[in-house]
Amino acid sequence: TQLLEQSPQFLSIQEGENLTVYCNSSSVFSSLQWYRQEPGEGPVLLVTVVTGGEVKKLKRLTFQFGDARKDSSLHITAAQPGDTGLYLCAGEDQGTSYGKLTFGQGTILTVHP
Amino acid sequence: SQTIHQWPATLVQPVGSPLSLECTVEGTSNPNLYWYRQAAGRGLQLLFYSVGIGQISSEVPQNLSASRPQDRQFILSSKKLLLSDSGFYLCAYQPQNTEAFFGQGTRLTVV
Repeated sequence: TQLLEQSPQFLSIQEGENLTVYCNSSSVFSSLQWYRQEPGEGPVLLVTVVTGGEVKKLKRLTFQFGDARKDSSLHITAAQPGDTGLYLCAGEDQGTSYGKLTFGQGTILTVHP
Repeated sequence: SQTIHQWPATLVQPVGSPLSLECTVEGTSNPNLYWYRQAAGRGLQLLFYSVGIGQISSEVPQNLSASRPQDRQFILSSKKLLLSDSGFYLCAYQPQNTEAFFGQGTRLTVV
């Protein structure tokens, strides 16, 4: 069974601060995805990283996939209250025919104005 | 475009009552379909997945079952609910084993 350790579990910061969320595993994933979820709704995909060492930017969000495809990070620059939510990483398991995703436990981010 | 519908949004059921949550997908054929449970707004636990009509695989032993009577329909059921079945249930599909698209979720409270 592949596991994804996501940290920190909670993050409470002031508007304008920077933050990084980490997602680590001892297993290799075919790809890694980051989702954002609002209360009472389903997660929405932010980005998918596929290649080891890949870096993707989405406005103030920067996503990185580790060289060995075992870990990933999400960095937010100058956080805003609208960034508040639950952030989930999910790794696509290698060796399954149905694209199974293993989810981290999530990071609850609160950005105070 | 592809969309996924899940209902109801909220449900309060007594212990021992049956359950039926329905999920339908539009705009895609033969998708991989999934049921997840999420506790207290944290990570998602995969309950069932289906790669085709009538094909159901269970990831964890539990009080729930799933069925796929049609290509784009996925149903989560229980004959007798337990208190521990309370949670947030999410249906999802993955076209071509790519990223997952989720329904709006069902908040189930067993009382």
